[in-house]
Amino acid sequence: DIQMTQSPSSLSASVGDRVTFTCRASQSISSYLNWYQQKPGKAPKLLIYAASSLQSGVPSRFSGSGSGTDFTLTISSLQPEDFATYYCQQSYTSPRTFGQGTKVEIK
Amino acid sequence: QVTLRESGPALVKPTQTLTLTCTFSGFSLSTSGMCVSWIRQPPGKALEWLARIDWDDDKYYSTSLKTRLTISKDTSKNQVVLTMTNMDPVDTATYYCARMGAVAGTGALDYWGQGTLVTVSS
Repeated sequence: DIQMTQSPSSLSASVGDRVTFTCRASQSISSYLNWYQQKPGKAPKLLIYAASSLQSGVPSRFSGSGSGTDFTLTISSLQPEDFATYYCQQSYTSPRTFGQGTKVEIK
Repeated sequence: QVTLRESGPALVKPTQTLTLTCTFSGFSLSTSGMCVSWIRQPPGKALEWLARIDWDDDKYYSTSLKTRLTISKDTSKNQVVLTMTNMDPVDTATYYCARMGAVAGTGALDYWGQGTLVTVSS
């Protein structure tokens, strides 16, 4: 199975901050990498697919980059509604594994 | 409008078999490229991918759980069913179904159900 490792596991930031977190695959997954946002008690929501494509309706402050084994999700200016947990998922091959998540908390 | 809804028992006893149903609307699982996946999340923990069924009835399973899982579909009813045998307290989790395939070739899960919490306890 492909292992997905996210870092950091949590971070504290302030409204307006630029935040970046990473996801690393245990083998090359080309650009088959998706990012999800999950708020407490809610289902995950697709933010970014194919490493860098913004899902319809997602604010442009979210962006993704990377290919191969290393990927990043950036929020250019953190908003109050962005405090949540973010998961990466590889869709290169089954089983379609998730990372362990990065929790973004209010500083 | 695409919607998915999970249904099933809220409580199961250890060693029992869990049967969950995902009822969806707004798309057809007979459409080429469409797939439905199951994902679970133990309380306070990360998402875990469980299984997937494709429009052509191809099926894929979690490596660690494949001996316990069976996924099937009823296209006429717009339903996908997941069964998990030999339930254990560590299987306590919120179980989600999600659609894959609309964003062609990417494997992204673009619509999710609200999830159903399953507790395993005697």
